[in-house]
Amino acid sequence: DADVTQTPRNRITKTGKRIMLECSQTKGHDRMYWYRQDPGLGLRLIYYSFDVKDINKGEISDGYSVSRQAQAKFSLSLESAIPNQTALYFCATSGDGPSYEQYFGPGTRLTVT
Amino acid sequence: KNEVEQSPQNLTAQEGEFITINCSYSVGISALHWLQQHPGGGIVSLFMLSSGKKKHGRLIATINIQEKHSSLHITASHPRDSAVYICAVRSDYGGSQGNLIFGKGTKLSVKP
Repeated sequence: DADVTQTPRNRITKTGKRIMLECSQTKGHDRMYWYRQDPGLGLRLIYYSFDVKDINKGEISDGYSVSRQAQAKFSLSLESAIPNQTALYFCATSGDGPSYEQYFGPGTRLTVT
Repeated sequence: KNEVEQSPQNLTAQEGEFITINCSYSVGISALHWLQQHPGGGIVSLFMLSSGKKKHGRLIATINIQEKHSSLHITASHPRDSAVYICAVRSDYGGSQGNLIFGKGTKLSVKP
């Protein structure tokens, strides 16, 4: 089984709808991340969490919210989706400290029409 | 100016060629990562290094901390190496809390 899973893998939604992307990990890591990827822009950090009670905004958090339900689960919500939130979204997890690599989920392709 | 710059942005090679992808960064770092993203979208970690050189199969990654530069080399390239290669640095700035800063990626296409 994959270390990091994301659901759904693909989603098409309409402007103004609320949508939740879910992420689960089996690595036992405390740190979890949500990124979005746009063509030509690379990966950008939306939110990150260092443990269940520690949630922080990344560089592009406007229009998004998150919930860390448990060590293994980290959800990303778009309260009112807009077309420029169309992107590929990745969840990731890592151990603590500078020597730990990040493990990425398979990505969720979100289209907002 | 981006904190992590990769070159080239796009690279087309013939099967068997030696390939080099470069990454330069402008911040102090504790580690540098090379990631691979296949056309299906999934991202996997290839290397994490903070000094010197690492080798895994046909892939070699080097880093020069003084020059703030890293290279990813692929020897005897193969069409299955076609992917986007992403450089990311773990900054040691206090405010960044050790999060990764990503380059925009290098799209490699290896022709048979």
